[in-house]
Formats: sequence, C-alpha cells, structure tokens
Amino acid sequence: DIQMTQSPSSLSASVGDRVTITCRASQNIINYLNWYQQKPGKAPKILMYGASSLQSGVPSRFSGSGSGTDFTLTISSLQPEDFATYHCQQTYTTSPWTFGQGTRVEIK
Amino acid sequence: QVQLQESGPGLVKPSQTLSLTCTVSGGSMNSGNYYWSWIRQPAGKGLEWIGRVYTSGSTNYNPSLKRRVTMSVDTSKNQFSLKLSSVTASDTAVYYCARDSVECTAGSCYLWFDPWGQGTLVTVSS
Repeated sequence: DIQMTQSPSSLSASVGDRVTITCRASQNIINYLNWYQQKPGKAPKILMYGASSLQSGVPSRFSGSGSGTDFTLTISSLQPEDFATYHCQQTYTTSPWTFGQGTRVEIK
Repeated sequence: QVQLQESGPGLVKPSQTLSLTCTVSGGSMNSGNYYWSWIRQPAGKGLEWIGRVYTSGSTNYNPSLKRRVTMSVDTSKNQFSLKLSSVTASDTAVYYCARDSVECTAGSCYLWFDPWGQGTLVTVSS
C-alpha cells in the first residue's frame, strides 16, 4: 500500500493566518492527490483534486501544490468556517486508495 | 443533485456480518460511468477505503479487507450494498458511501469521492 503521512497532526491558528499542511507519499504518485475538509459529525468534502485543481465552489483562499511524493495544502487567510480536519488521499493506484491520518486545524 | 444515504443496523455482534445499504436519490445510478464506494472511519482516526462497485456488478476491494467484503448493486432500486463478515471490535466505525467522480484532462484522469452520504455509525459489541 502507498502510505500517506500528513504533518502536522494538528495545529492552532488564528483567523487571518496563513496555514500550510503537508502530505507525503511513500512513493511517487505524480499528482494523483486529493484534499478533503471534514467538520465534526459530517462527511468529508472534496476541496482539491489533481494536487492543485480547485473543486467548483471552493473558495480561492485554498490552494494546493506539489508532485511526486510531497504535497501541500495552503489556506491563505484562515476563516472561521475553515476550522476542521483536512485529509489527503492518493488515487495513483486503486490497490488500495489510501488517506493520510488527517490534520486538525483548531482555533488559537 | 445526487444524494446518498446509508442505512442498516447500528449494532452488530462479534463474528457476525455487517450489512449496509446506500440509497442514491436525485439521479439514476445508471446515468454516467460511475463507481460507487464504501469508506469507513473509526472514531478519532483516519479514513479507510473499503472498496467499490460498478453498476455492472464489477468490484474492487481493499486487499486488507478483501477476504471479508462483498459489495453488490441493485440499479432497479438505485441502491448498492456492503457486507463485511466475521466482524470484530476493530470494525467499529462510521461507514460512508460515496460516488467516484472522475475528470479526464490532457490524457490524465483524476478521481475523487463526491458526493458522500452522511455516514452511519456501526458498533461491534456483544
């Protein structure tokens, strides 16, 4: 299986802060990398696919970058509704698709 | 817009079979070339893809669960189902169903899960 490792596991930030979350794959996944946002008690919501393509309706303060094994999700100016857990997922191979352990973004 | 809803028992005894159904509304499962997936999340932990089923009945399973998983589809009811046998406490989780969405650009096809059901908690306990 391709292992996905996110860092940090959690972070505290203030409204308006720039936040960066990192996801590292155990092997080259080119750019087959998705980012999801999950709020407590809710299903994950797709933010980004193909490492840097913003899903329709997602605010432009979210951006993604990276290729190969190292990827980042950046929130340029954190808003109150952005406090959530963020998950990365590789879809390079279906055997199996795998997720990172999640990064919880909390209010400072 | 397409919506998904999981249903099934919230409590399953150890060694028994977990059975869940996902009902698709707002569109036919047969429209578009979609796979339909199951994903689970133990409390406080990350997401684990269980497997997926196509409208033809073709399946792909996570190798770690393959021995115990069976997925099926009933397009006449717009539903697909998950069966997980010989459950233990480690199978306690919120189970989600989701649609595999795909976009192909410049020779590459990208896949993600969207939409998702709201999730259903299944507890394995005697």
